[in-house]
Amino acid sequence: GESVGLHLPTLSVQEGDNSIINCAYSNSASDYFIWYKQESGKGPQFIIDIRSNMDKRQGQRVTVLLNKTVKHLSLQIAATQPGDSAVYFCAASGRGYGNKLVFGAGTILRVKS
Amino acid sequence: ETGVTQTPRHLVMGMTNKKSLKCEQHLGHNAMYWYKQSAKKPLELMFVYNFKEQTENNSVPSRFSPECPNSSHLFLHLHTLQPEDSALYLCASSYTGELFFGEGSRLTVL
Repeated sequence: GESVGLHLPTLSVQEGDNSIINCAYSNSASDYFIWYKQESGKGPQFIIDIRSNMDKRQGQRVTVLLNKTVKHLSLQIAATQPGDSAVYFCAASGRGYGNKLVFGAGTILRVKS
Repeated sequence: ETGVTQTPRHLVMGMTNKKSLKCEQHLGHNAMYWYKQSAKKPLELMFVYNFKEQTENNSVPSRFSPECPNSSHLFLHLHTLQPEDSALYLCASSYTGELFFGEGSRLTVL
């Protein structure tokens, strides 16, 4: 089966520092991964995705790293800002799952000014 | 604005009430989803519709009844709910891969 989990439930960082949020997945056949951000009172918003044929992908201030050997995914946020405070979810899907994404429980990111 | 609109945003109902949640997507997607989000738990997939046809029912109790009249609209009819059904209900749509979520309907069952 598929399960996706996060190492740290809460992460506190100082404004301006870099943040790293981690995620582990169990299904080695997972081939698509997404990070979502959910602010208080809002629905999850897409941040960045990566396919299993890549090990790194960069967006605006965010980088996703994929280590298929240890089935680990991370989201790096550069120069963390107060507006980055939110819950971050990773999600994974695998061959044969179609559009069925399996979500982790989430990590709370708190940015201290 | 994600292109997925949910109404109402907040709903309080008694256990004997009948209510409905509505979702509309303006993205031209072919698939729509209902998820349940409870505190400190992963998002739980409830139902999936592809081209108006239900393709997944994730062992959801019959007191939740989905309806998908077309690819742009999705309803969740609620009847005889329990207090433990209180949660944020999220609608999402997709074409392939990435899900686009609405803002959710916060349901409280008294």
